Amino acid sequence: EAGVAQSPRYKIIEKRQSVAFWCNPISGHATLYWYQQILGQGPKLLIQFQNNGVVDDSQLPKDRFSAERLKGVDSTLKIQPAKLEDSAVYLCASSPDRTTQYFGPGTRLLVL
Amino acid sequence: AQSVTQPDIHITVSEGASLELRCNYSYGATPYLFWYVQSPGQGLQLLLKYFSGDTLVQGIKGFEAEFKRSQSSFNLRKPSVHWSDAAEYFCAVGANQGGKLIFGQGTELSVKP
Repeated sequence: EAGVAQSPRYKIIEKRQSVAFWCNPISGHATLYWYQQILGQGPKLLIQFQNNGVVDDSQLPKDRFSAERLKGVDSTLKIQPAKLEDSAVYLCASSPDRTTQYFGPGTRLLVL
Repeated sequence: AQSVTQPDIHITVSEGASLELRCNYSYGATPYLFWYVQSPGQGLQLLLKYFSGDTLVQGIKGFEAEFKRSQSSFNLRKPSVHWSDAAEYFCAVGANQGGKLIFGQGTELSVKP
């Protein structure tokens, strides 16, 4: 069974630029999560989707971050404009039952 | 509010020695508890999980964890550490219905030859 796929794996941008990350969850997993992991910290939830609906986006900085999950499969997370403090690893996870989550390899973002 | 505390930021053990990583949680109801491992430049791999039942759970790579409700703890153990176990370990608590995970700050494990 293929795992959670994410791309790109690495991204370097200048502040105020925009960036987008893509996630393809494990086939059949209805729940998809985006986490932000700042260096030296544990991951923190940004947004949770159930199929193509948002369940929890309370920690998403909505003035600059947006996410969508069209057709209830792939998802895209966008940052516009990026700030220095957005430098982090962005992890996508999926779950078949909203209990056990399976994580992708992450996208490492550096904002200069 | 839900929270997870991993008191040890960094632990060094000798190869072949036993290991215990501590995790304390704060959660009002019966929690779902997880341990994940993250190697440098990688995502998180699930080691083991506790939902209910037997409080001693076995995971992959020879790891086990024990849920102690009275102490609000879920410590991870391994009887004999291998050099390949060097990584960062995260404890997490999940809400029964919400699915959201709250992570601790992680414990970095170094293994001496």
